[in-house]
Amino acid sequence: DTGVSQNPRHKITKRGQNVTFRCDPISEHNRLYWYRQTLGQGPEFLTYFQNEAQLEKSRLLSDRFSAERPKGSFSTLEIQRTEQGDSAMYLCASSYWTGGNTEAFFGQGTRLTVV
Amino acid sequence: AQRVTQPEKLLSVFKGAPVELKCNYSYSGSPELFWYVQYSRQRLQLLLRHISRESIKGFTADLNKGETSFHLKKPFAQEEDSAMYYCALSSNAGNMLTFGGGTRLMVKP
Repeated sequence: DTGVSQNPRHKITKRGQNVTFRCDPISEHNRLYWYRQTLGQGPEFLTYFQNEAQLEKSRLLSDRFSAERPKGSFSTLEIQRTEQGDSAMYLCASSYWTGGNTEAFFGQGTRLTVV
Repeated sequence: AQRVTQPEKLLSVFKGAPVELKCNYSYSGSPELFWYVQYSRQRLQLLLRHISRESIKGFTADLNKGETSFHLKKPFAQEEDSAMYYCALSSNAGNMLTFGGGTRLMVKP
């Protein structure tokens, strides 16, 4: 499968623990996006990168959330001191942007459960 | 602030019946509108976008700026159309998408 890959697919953690998710975009894609989806809702935009630069992070839900894309390839999303309200599906998407809106390809997501 | 509303959580129709999934948006500028679809146990994927004016899998959607709507239509539903459908808006070049809450389409035999 040469699409966007996310790991792990499922994560169960205890409240207060830190978790990190990984996203591997389609190899030639320069833009990478993170979304969160809670039950019964559509995806909610969190942050995005162009190559290694994080161009928008004001939508990250709190200062417990952070994301990196150190070499402009894969990205990680970290949640510190998890809370039960963080339980959700975390989606990654990538696109090859040259100006204008291009198609974003989504991964299958990481489902986080905080107990 | 931009917002996308899909008023129906569930739409159930019989095979061969027409389908219309409603989408309304609020945005002061010139948005780009999209429909994404998620089939069972598959990832979210783009179905169509308003700027391409295409018909994909028999679906069409027309952007109505006066009514701020982007309803998805198909004249004859098929069982394989059963899925979650999300309307989304982008305010600029960058795929920072604002999604609606989604509509589950069930096509009964």
